Amino acid sequence: EDKVVQSPLSLVVHEGDTVTLNCSYEVTNFRSLLWYKQEKKAPTFLFMLTSSGIEKKSGRLSSILDKKELSSILNITATQTGDSAIYLCAVPVSGGSNYKLTFGKGTLLTVNP
Amino acid sequence: EPEVTQTPSHQVTQMGQEVILRCVPISNHLYFYWYRQILGQKVEFLVSFYNNEISEKSEIFDDQFSVERPDGSNFTLKIRSTKLEDSAMYFCASSGRDHLYQETQYFGPGTRLLVL
Repeated sequence: EDKVVQSPLSLVVHEGDTVTLNCSYEVTNFRSLLWYKQEKKAPTFLFMLTSSGIEKKSGRLSSILDKKELSSILNITATQTGDSAIYLCAVPVSGGSNYKLTFGKGTLLTVNP
Repeated sequence: EPEVTQTPSHQVTQMGQEVILRCVPISNHLYFYWYRQILGQKVEFLVSFYNNEISEKSEIFDDQFSVERPDGSNFTLKIRSTKLEDSAMYFCASSGRDHLYQETQYFGPGTRLLVL
């Protein structure tokens, strides 16, 4: 069975701290890994990673994939209260002509002022 | 920027009633999905849809569920006879201008369904 595990499940930090969120996966025919940010409602797309060792960056957020370790990390530097959200890791699994996403439970990040 | 929209944002219904959740995917996308998230649990896949037919469905997606793309823009999820355990947030997603972008799915804001 395909599995995505995230850690920690929750994290409380102060503004300005740097955080690292982890995601590990066990899926057949791995193609890519996606990170989403979920605030009040919809998961918002952050990154898609396909190649090991190549960092993707967007502002203070960055992410990298390690295919050897079957894992990925999401880093957030100089955290702000607006970064408070659930961060979801998902892996597309092939299903017929397209892909369904298998999600982890998410990491609830709380950034206190 | 194009986005997925969903209506209604909230729906309260009585057990046994039919509900239809509506979605307008991003206009040039080809692949459509429904997911649900029960409060405090993971986002779970329900069904995927491509070329006017279901590509894959999960165990949750039983005979009480159906999907339809009645015209060129809307994508609907119907639950024929709702149960208490259908209470959840339902997300529509779309992807795939082409093969390279198929896996990146963009989510709508969700419909919160409460079955009483």
